[in-house]
Amino acid sequence: EAQVTQNPRYLITVTGKKLTVTCSQNMNHEYMSWYRQDPGLGLRQIYYSMNVEVTDKGDVPEGYKVSRKEKRNFPLILESPSPNQTSLYFCASSTLGTSGRAGELFFGEGSRLTVL
Amino acid sequence: EDQVTQSPEALRLQEGESSSLNCSYTVSGLRGLFWYRQDPGKGPEFLFTLYSAGEEKEKERLKATLTKKESFLHITAPKPEDSATYLCAVQAIRSGAGSYQLTFGKGTKLSVIP
Repeated sequence: EAQVTQNPRYLITVTGKKLTVTCSQNMNHEYMSWYRQDPGLGLRQIYYSMNVEVTDKGDVPEGYKVSRKEKRNFPLILESPSPNQTSLYFCASSTLGTSGRAGELFFGEGSRLTVL
Repeated sequence: EDQVTQSPEALRLQEGESSSLNCSYTVSGLRGLFWYRQDPGKGPEFLFTLYSAGEEKEKERLKATLTKKESFLHITAPKPEDSATYLCAVQAIRSGAGSYQLTFGKGTKLSVIP
């Protein structure tokens, strides 16, 4: 079954304690992306990757890091989490469409993070 | 800066009562407009992509249309299982880094009452 898998689904942590949210896809997609979703603000892109070892900042990258060492995995790293990073996080993947068109995004189930 | 505005924020319909959701956008050039459906506690699920003004796409009770300034998601004779948040996103024409980036609207929460 085609899917994007995120872990953990729920996490409560404390300020400053490094954490990693993993994301894996089994569709051989080139493009992967992280979003955060906050009430009243909608989905905002944090980082994206167009292929292995190619990553770039989205609209809200501050406080986050990513890496893309393998095509299927795209972990999101919070080196020193702060309460304003409390949010619902989604990983997504897609093909790179023809003529520069974005492909259909496949989303994971989400990771709800609370930073105390 | 790309902007996507969805209206209304929330919509309650009786089962069978048809209506439309609106997505208005401001981009320097539109490469594509996307509709997604999001159920509570789940990730968004792809519905449609529209590329040029005048284009229409249908899926069951849903029909998406596109003009040069906005898109509509028409829901015909909705059922309770159509209750969800509907998200609109645009891809602007850009070159280089960021060319595949989508800008999402805040969504319309649809409730269909039996």
